[in-house]
Amino acid sequence: AQSVAQPEDQVNVAEGNPLTVKCTYSVSGNPYLFWYVQYPNRGLQFLLKYITGDNLVKGSYGFEAEFNKSQTSFHLKKPSALVSDSALYFCAVRDGNDMRFGAGTRLTVKP
Amino acid sequence: DAGITQSPRHKVTETGTPVTLRCHQTENHRYMYWYRQDPGHGLRLIHYSYGVKDTDKGEVSDGYSVSRSKTEDFLLTLESATSSQTSVYFCAIRGLADNEQFFGPGTRLTVL
Repeated sequence: AQSVAQPEDQVNVAEGNPLTVKCTYSVSGNPYLFWYVQYPNRGLQFLLKYITGDNLVKGSYGFEAEFNKSQTSFHLKKPSALVSDSALYFCAVRDGNDMRFGAGTRLTVKP
Repeated sequence: DAGITQSPRHKVTETGTPVTLRCHQTENHRYMYWYRQDPGHGLRLIHYSYGVKDTDKGEVSDGYSVSRSKTEDFLLTLESATSSQTSVYFCAIRGLADNEQFFGPGTRLTVL
């Protein structure tokens, strides 16, 4: 089965600094990878996906993610963090008709 | 939230009672999903549907059943609720040509 792992439960960054939220994957075949964000008391919002093509994927709210096949990683990045980016972030991989999620990483951006 | 509503949004019930959660979509998407979200586990799939009256089990299906009698509605039933089913439940949809899923606002269920 396909799976993803998010090695960090919590990431803290200062506003204006670059941020990275890590994700590694384990798949057979070509991975379909996703990032979602969850704000308090809300459902998950789709940020971006990698299916094929360029390894750098751009998404919503200025986020991007880099697909690295040799390191089996799909890290989420943003050049300059905002306080409003504070939320819970989930990496996911498609597994047939299903989707497998990581445990989530809580990002806190401090002013 | 991508044309998806869930009802109720909050529910408190007692152990042993039946509970039904409803997911309604206006997108006419083929695939619908029920997940539960628990701290440290991310989201785990309970059941999903790939069409009217077509459903399949997910990773944590024990104690849950589903029904889909029309495209727009997907019901999740806890036949006899237990405290371990206290969780936040999310519905999601996916179009046939899509890869990503889109999520509803969630239902917070507490079983006392």
